[in-house]
Amino acid sequence: DQQVKQNSPSLSVQEGRISILNCDYTNSMFDYFLWYKKYPAEGPTFLISISSIKDKNEDGRFTVFLNKSAKHLSLHIVPSQPGDSAVYFCAASARGQGAQKLVFGQGTRLTINP
Amino acid sequence: ETGVTQSPTHLIKTRGQQVTLRCSSQSGHNTVSWYQQALGQGPQFIFQYYREEENGRGNFPPRFSGLQFPNYSSELNVNALELDDSALYLCASSLGGTIAYEQYFGPGTRLTVT
Repeated sequence: DQQVKQNSPSLSVQEGRISILNCDYTNSMFDYFLWYKKYPAEGPTFLISISSIKDKNEDGRFTVFLNKSAKHLSLHIVPSQPGDSAVYFCAASARGQGAQKLVFGQGTRLTINP
Repeated sequence: ETGVTQSPTHLIKTRGQQVTLRCSSQSGHNTVSWYQQALGQGPQFIFQYYREEENGRGNFPPRFSGLQFPNYSSELNVNALELDDSALYLCASSLGGTIAYEQYFGPGTRLTVT
């Protein structure tokens, strides 16, 4: 039962262009969403988050959009840089269920081409 | 500010053996979560410790157990190792409570069971 899905295993984008990574979820109890970036041989690094009471959150080149009715979120990176090449995971959490359990998608490998 | 550290980096064990993995949480954090990341998958929640008590558990058998110490460092113990336990084990620390906060991950321990 995959509650959080990233349907694109990989994405290739030209440097300077916009990268859009997508994520879908099925559990309507999720109310907090996060994006993590992972380089090889390192742990995931927190990137940006959004609460379900918002539909957009921006931090520099990174913007996360949340569409609750479609149970869909996306991460936009503008402009894309070679250092953005990594695996990106979206994760979701449900408030009030005790543990701050994060449910992760399978990840999308982003490659930025010079 | 000290980040999350894990030891050892790599480990090779034989089926049926027992293993202990260690994690030091980020300064100021009182919650530690453990995740298992199989090859090509996103991290899967094993359990979480908050102020030395188990605060939630994922879908893992009882041979996966843990501890949290007064300084908030933590151990993950796995008994009767199986081949499928081969994975990257990630530890994440965060501030406690029922509201999800960003979790900060260590670099992981790569466990290989032969």
